[in-house]
Amino acid sequence: SAVISQKPSRDICQRGTSLTIQCQVDSQVTMMFWYRQQPGQSLTLIATANQGSEATYESGFVIDKFPISRPNLTFSTLTVSNMSPEDSSIYLCSVVGGAGGYTFGSGTRLTVV
Amino acid sequence: AQSVTQLDSQVPVFEEAPVELRCNYSSSVSVYLFWYVQYPNQGLQLLLKYLSGSTLVKGINGFEAEFNKSQTSFHLRKPSVHISDTAEYFCAVSEGGGADGLTFGKGTHLIIQP
Repeated sequence: SAVISQKPSRDICQRGTSLTIQCQVDSQVTMMFWYRQQPGQSLTLIATANQGSEATYESGFVIDKFPISRPNLTFSTLTVSNMSPEDSSIYLCSVVGGAGGYTFGSGTRLTVV
Repeated sequence: AQSVTQLDSQVPVFEEAPVELRCNYSSSVSVYLFWYVQYPNQGLQLLLKYLSGSTLVKGINGFEAEFNKSQTSFHLRKPSVHISDTAEYFCAVSEGGGADGLTFGKGTHLIIQP
């Protein structure tokens, strides 16, 4: 199955600033998915990123707050913009790996102070 | 749109006892079903998945799950648990067969008591 390298693994940021999270996959994939896991909660899909087209956002998530880039078939970034303490979460990227399983990056633990 | 319900937020079990973690889903189309485990301060690891075929699916670490279409369930079982199984377990569903993201349940915290 695909191997995902996600960075940074964690960060502490000031409110009002932005953080860009990177995901690198060791193989070419059509779609990449971004999730948020708020403290003590389950995972919620933020958006789906296809190479060469605009990302598709789920209800409650907007491009101005979570801009996504997908410059090629192995890389994507998610930016968390104008951060507030409510954005403190774990952010994960995911791809569909071999035989239909979804593989996840190790996550970025974001704390906004 | 699909949804996933994990009926138990927390399940305490004695070591070496059997366990069942319940998962029900709602969807208007055929689905793919997954169970993931998340150990403290770690990422998500795939335990098992149901895509098609046999309704009894065997996964890693001795876990298995049974897909029941009539009851729209995908319960996870293990005949004998160990302390190391203490973790958060998430049931998830996909309608798009890899073309869309996963919808997760709220998770079940499995607590193994010695």
